[in-house]
Amino acid sequence: DIQMTQSPSSLSASVGDRVTITCRASQSIRTYLNWYQQKPGKAPKVLIYEASSLQSGVPSRFSGSGSGTDFTLTISSLQPEDFATYYCQQSLTVVWTFGQGTKVEIK
Amino acid sequence: EVQLVESGGGLVQPGGSLRLSCAVSGFTVSNYWMHWVRQAPGKGLVWVSRMYSDGGSTSYADSVKGRFTISRDNAKNTLYLQMNSLRVEDTAVYYCARGKFYENSGYSYYDYWGQGTLVTVSS
Repeated sequence: DIQMTQSPSSLSASVGDRVTITCRASQSIRTYLNWYQQKPGKAPKVLIYEASSLQSGVPSRFSGSGSGTDFTLTISSLQPEDFATYYCQQSLTVVWTFGQGTKVEIK
Repeated sequence: EVQLVESGGGLVQPGGSLRLSCAVSGFTVSNYWMHWVRQAPGKGLVWVSRMYSDGGSTSYADSVKGRFTISRDNAKNTLYLQMNSLRVEDTAVYYCARGKFYENSGYSYYDYWGQGTLVTVSS
């Protein structure tokens, strides 16, 4: 199975900060990479699909980039509602795998 | 409006069985890839199983292969997960999720999720 590794595992940031989360695949996944946001007690919600396509209804402060093995999720100006855990996920192979998650906390 | 509602979770002893249901509305379950994803308490997301839209072929994670069975009832527009020989490590919230699939490009992702149902395996 393809392993997905996110960094950092957690970070503390302030409202208005620019935040970057990285995701590395154990082998090339081209751009078969999605990003999800999950808040406590809730189901995940897709933010970005195909590495850089913004899901309808998701604020434009979220953006994704990358291809091959290295990917980035950027929040350009962190808002109070963005404090959550973020997961990358590859959909190239039959077994879809997730990163371990990055928890974004309030500084 | 698209909705997915899971049910059937609960407390079960190791070696026991449970059947989870995911009743969907707002779309036809047989027209989409449908998945089960689980999340152990305080842990990350793990894909469990998929049922394809074509005739119903299926895939499973190695950790549940031979123990879990995914199925659907088209008349009830419902997805199921039959879980047998349950282990303590199967304890998790189980989500059903719809897979959006772009045939031209092959890209796919989960576009709708249920609220999850908790399965606890303990003696």
